[in-house]
Order: sequence, then C-alpha cells, then structure tokens
Amino acid sequence: AQSVTQPDIHITVSEGASLELRCNYSYGATPYLFWYVQSPGQGLQLLLKYFSGDTLVQGIKGFEAEFKRSQSSFNLRKPSVHWSDAAEYFCAVGATGGSYIPTFGRGTSLIVHP
Amino acid sequence: GAGVSQSPSNKVTEKGKDVELRCDPISGHTALYWYRQSLGQGLEFLIYFQGNSAPDKSGLPSDRFSAERTGGSVSTLTIQRTQQEDSAVYLCASSPDGASNQPQHFGDGTRLSIL
Repeated sequence: AQSVTQPDIHITVSEGASLELRCNYSYGATPYLFWYVQSPGQGLQLLLKYFSGDTLVQGIKGFEAEFKRSQSSFNLRKPSVHWSDAAEYFCAVGATGGSYIPTFGRGTSLIVHP
Repeated sequence: GAGVSQSPSNKVTEKGKDVELRCDPISGHTALYWYRQSLGQGLEFLIYFQGNSAPDKSGLPSDRFSAERTGGSVSTLTIQRTQQEDSAVYLCASSPDGASNQPQHFGDGTRLSIL
C-alpha cells in the first residue's frame, strides 16, 4: 500500500527566510503528487501538482516543489516566506492500484515569526 | 458560488443527538469524498461516492456513521447517537470524475462539537 510521510509536524521560520517542507512517499511507480495548503478555518487548497515531465513544478503563491525519484521525495519550497503563509501544509499521493482514494500525509504546521 | 459548499459551518450538539452535515459539490463533479479531521490530525477518509456506483464506505468508523448522495449531487453525512470523540472538522471534497491525476476541491468544512 502506498504511504506519504511528512516528517516535520511543525516548522518555524522567520518572515523573509526560505522554506522547505519535506514529503516522502512509498509507491512502486511514479505517482501523481500534490501539495495542499489549509489556512485556519478553511478547507484545503491546491498549491501545485506533479504528474510527469519537468521535475521542478511551480505553483501558486510563489511555491515550487521538486520531484526526486531516487529519494522518493516531493519537497515543497519557497524562497521567501510571508506571514500569510502560516498554515497547515499537506502532501498527497493520487489514488493508485484501482483505488479512488488519495493518500494524504499528516501535515506540517508552518509558523512564521515576524 | 463555484466551489464546494458545506453547511452548517459550525454545529454544537449534545452527546447522544443525531446530526446531519451537508455537502454541495462543484456542479458536474461526479466524485465526492468525506473526510474527518480531528484536532492536530491529518485527514481521515470516511466515504467516497462516484456517480451512480455503490459508495466506498471503507473509512466509516462505526455503524453510527452513514452518508447518502441524492441525484448524484448533494451529499449528507449523518452521525447517529453522537459521542464526544466525534468532535472534529468534517471536510467534503469533489473532483470531476475521481481519476487519480485530478486534485480535489475542498469545502471549508463543518466544525462539529459534541458537549
């Protein structure tokens, strides 16, 4: 069965600093990969997705993610964090093996200090 | 609106009561998902609907939980005889047809509090 691991429960950064949120997946082939953001009191919003091709994908709000097959990783990055980026971030793998249910990581809570 | 709509946004009820949570997916989306998000936890899959097919109920935690989807559109999640451990945010999501390369579109959730 596929799985998604987000090793960091909380990440604290200063405003203006760079950010990298880690995501590792377990699946035999290249899966469909997604990053979502959840602001307080809201649902999840898609930041970006990877299907194939260029391993560096750009998303909304200045985020990007890099797919590394050799490391089974899909880490999310942002060069300069804004206070409004404080939120919960979820990595997800699209459904595989005949299932229609995607697999979500447990999420990483981003705290931004002024 | 064009997004997924959930109601109510907040629900407070006494232990033992029944509750109904509603989800209105994006028009034309045939795939609909319910998730539960407990405080500080990730998403727990509950149930999946795809068109007129039988739903995948494999995530429902007990027989107190049920859901239906009428006319392939609006869905209702019902929790009978609520318990305090049912307190959570219930999220609904939809996608065009459930294909694995499609991202999900989420509503803002219903925050359920059981007293």
